[in-house]
Amino acid sequence: EEQLVESGGGLVQPGGSLRLSCAASGFSVRGNYMGWVRQAPGKGLQSVSVIDSGGATDHADSVKGRFTISRHNSKNTLYLDMNSMRFDDTAVYYCARRAWFGGFDIWGQGTMVAVSS
Amino acid sequence: DIQMTQSPSSLSASVGDRVTILCRASQTISTYLNWYQQKPGKAPKLLIYGASTLQSGVPSRFSGSGSGTDFTLTISSLQPEDIATYYCQQSYTTPYSFGQGTKLEIK
Repeated sequence: EEQLVESGGGLVQPGGSLRLSCAASGFSVRGNYMGWVRQAPGKGLQSVSVIDSGGATDHADSVKGRFTISRHNSKNTLYLDMNSMRFDDTAVYYCARRAWFGGFDIWGQGTMVAVSS
Repeated sequence: DIQMTQSPSSLSASVGDRVTILCRASQTISTYLNWYQQKPGKAPKLLIYGASTLQSGVPSRFSGSGSGTDFTLTISSLQPEDIATYYCQQSYTTPYSFGQGTKLEIK
């Protein structure tokens, strides 16, 4: 079964850092286009960061220069390194696989990140 | 960035009703349009990709149409388990923007 499991969420102070992990099973993160999508409490979905099969990355303007998406091929794991965190980064963070047709077809269960002093 | 606008933001309908949700892109995206269903406390679920192709396992009462800038998601006969928030998303170019969501409730 193809599955994604996130971890690493928690409470962080403004200006702090956090690393999210997303372990994949049933398929390879290296051969797929992967991404992180977040959802602030009571709000809609926002695509945060993506990485293609070649390793090229892209980030939303709101996180550019602060967040970095990466992967570890042998661990079959996707990461999101978040620095200089702000109150408006508070959200549930989902990792997801982007299928060949562009839609995100496999999602993790989400991990909650709260930025608070 | 491409902006995605859904209407209505919320919708109340009866079991058995035909329901239509609209999604408009701020520029042409061909058919790079996907629809998701999200239930409270759960991750989104892909329903339709490429504007009109049903994802495997999704009931046939769901359908999608459109191209260019205007798209629709239709539920032909609303069922109680369809109560959720629905999102459109463009996959034409990054960032892969989503609509603001349409919350569907039972009347």
